[in-house]
Amino acid sequence: EAQVTQNPRYLITVTGKKLTVTCSQNMNHEYMSWYRQDPGLGLRQIYYSMNVEVTDKGDVPEGYKVSRKEKRNFPLILESPSPNQTSLYFCASSLGGAWTEAFFGQGTRLTVV
Amino acid sequence: AQTVTQSQPEMSVQEAETVTLSCTYDTSESNYYLFWYKQPPSRQMILVIRQEAYKQQNATENRFSVNFQKAAKSFSLKISDSQLGDTAMYFCAFTGTASKLTFGTGTRLQVTL
Repeated sequence: EAQVTQNPRYLITVTGKKLTVTCSQNMNHEYMSWYRQDPGLGLRQIYYSMNVEVTDKGDVPEGYKVSRKEKRNFPLILESPSPNQTSLYFCASSLGGAWTEAFFGQGTRLTVV
Repeated sequence: AQTVTQSQPEMSVQEAETVTLSCTYDTSESNYYLFWYKQPPSRQMILVIRQEAYKQQNATENRFSVNFQKAAKSFSLKISDSQLGDTAMYFCAFTGTASKLTFGTGTRLQVTL
């Protein structure tokens, strides 16, 4: 089954404690992206990747890092989480850069206290 | 930069009735796609309907249809014969030449008995 898998689905952490949210897709997609969803703001792009070792900033990249060492994986790293990063996070993948058919992960609810 | 505006934060409709969700967008591009995504309480992002800008015919998917007005940059979603399972957050989204989806702020739809 074609899917994007994120882990964990829920995470509560403390300010400053480094964390990684994993994302994996099994469709051999070149394009992957991270979004955060906040009430009243919709989904906003954090980072995206066009292929292995090729990443670029989205609209709200501050406080986040990503890496793309393998085609299937695109982890999101918060080196020093802060309460304003409390949000719902989605990983997505697409075969092409036009994102006309996007596949989304199940979402990760992150709370930073 | 592209923007997507959803001016109705919340809407309510009775079961079996018809409801229309509004979306406007702004872009200088001529070739793009528009989408409506549904997000039920499970948080999953589900593609409801997709419209290609160069196609004049409005897209339909069973009880879901759109009214695409390219000149007015309007892209509304009509849900006919509303069902309880339609209760969800609905996001309008745009993709063009930039490698991302741009989302509106969402409309929370409640279907009541």
